[in-house]
Amino acid sequence: SQQGEEDPQALSIQEGENATMNCSYKTSINNLQWYRQNSGRGLVHLILIRSNEREKHSGRLRVTLDTSKKSSSLLITASRAADTASYFCAKVQVDAGKSTFGDGTTLTVKP
Amino acid sequence: DAGVTQSPTHLIKTRGQHVTLRCSPISGHKSVSWYQQVLGQGPQFIFQYYEKEERGRGNFPDRFSARQFPNYSSELNVNALLLGDSALYLCASSLLVGDLPYEQYFGPGTRLTVT
Repeated sequence: SQQGEEDPQALSIQEGENATMNCSYKTSINNLQWYRQNSGRGLVHLILIRSNEREKHSGRLRVTLDTSKKSSSLLITASRAADTASYFCAKVQVDAGKSTFGDGTTLTVKP
Repeated sequence: DAGVTQSPTHLIKTRGQHVTLRCSPISGHKSVSWYQQVLGQGPQFIFQYYEKEERGRGNFPDRFSARQFPNYSSELNVNALLLGDSALYLCASSLLVGDLPYEQYFGPGTRLTVT
């Protein structure tokens, strides 16, 4: 498996509920990015949070980063059926010139 | 503005053949990265190129190679294809400011099937 894990692997909720997914990593990072992927196609960038930031918001999305615990969380509030997708976090290590993805959380929002 | 474009969309090859995948970054983006995504898993980093230089390489065999052209477009080449190379190949472009990569913008991917 790859560095960093998302959990849960799968999440099923009703429309209107909040969804929280978590991401952990093992080595130091420069920033962490969250992406959404629909039906195995290209990834859509959601939020970037830098290692010196603790929280960022974008619309219904809230991302937190705890570098002491090497973990991040993505909260989607007031979920909609259109939020159904796979969500990935990517850990960015500048000196290695690479981004490392976990295996994602599959979110299903039932109407 | 056009996003990241990749060609072809789908490709079917047989074992032992060679394949070339192409990627055009967003205008103004000088960094291109390649990822392999096997069904049910997250993308795995293959290469990153910036200003035509390789900046990073993932844990892939030498059968995988890439290059970046003066217009910042890129090609990913895979030789001696194996069944296990069947995957979605994703290209991403980004701006680099100093040494910090910003958001990566992904193309729609090329679905490679090896039979």
